[in-house]
Amino acid sequence: GQSLEQPSEVTAVEGAIVQINCTYQTSGFYGLSWYQQHDGGAPTFLSYNALDGLEETGRFSSFLSRSDSYGYLLLQELQMKDSASYFCALYSSASKIIFGSGTRLSIRP
Amino acid sequence: NAGVTQTPKFQVLKTGQSMTLQCAQDMNHNSMYWYRQDPGMGLRLIYYSASEGTTDKGEVPNGYNVSRLNKREFSLRLESAAPSQTSVYFCGGGQLQETQYFGPGTRLLVL
Repeated sequence: GQSLEQPSEVTAVEGAIVQINCTYQTSGFYGLSWYQQHDGGAPTFLSYNALDGLEETGRFSSFLSRSDSYGYLLLQELQMKDSASYFCALYSSASKIIFGSGTRLSIRP
Repeated sequence: NAGVTQTPKFQVLKTGQSMTLQCAQDMNHNSMYWYRQDPGMGLRLIYYSASEGTTDKGEVPNGYNVSRLNKREFSLRLESAAPSQTSVYFCGGGQLQETQYFGPGTRLLVL
């Protein structure tokens, strides 16, 4: 089967950098994505890694290492509005996506 | 361009009642999905449709049926609602292996 693990909660300070890790078990997949979800809202897409390495989109970067079955989301220059839950998701075959259980990011002033 | 829309936004059902959740997208996506999200959890795939006319079971399909009416619309039906189906339901659309765009969600309470 397939599974993803990520920390349930992370706390950081406004203006700092935080890394949210995601480890996975799968026999094969197309890529790893990250989604942000504010309380009461819908998930919104942040980034997608099809290949190993770093993808940068503004303040957010995402990394994938297939050999280590590991990825992470890096958030820089944290703002209070970044307080949300962050989900990693595996794109497996046949149009299927498996989501992790999410990491709740709390930001202190 | 509304993206992905869902109706209704909220619904309260009694055990045993039936209902259909509607989803429509105007982004020309081939694939559409239905997920449920329970409190403090990630999304779990109920059913998906890789293209018009095809549907497949996801991780938690029991108690649900779907219909891909056309490329734009993908509905989810609960034939006999149970309290265990109390959840937030999200419809998503996307191209294979690419990003997904989600609707605003339907909050369902089954008493």
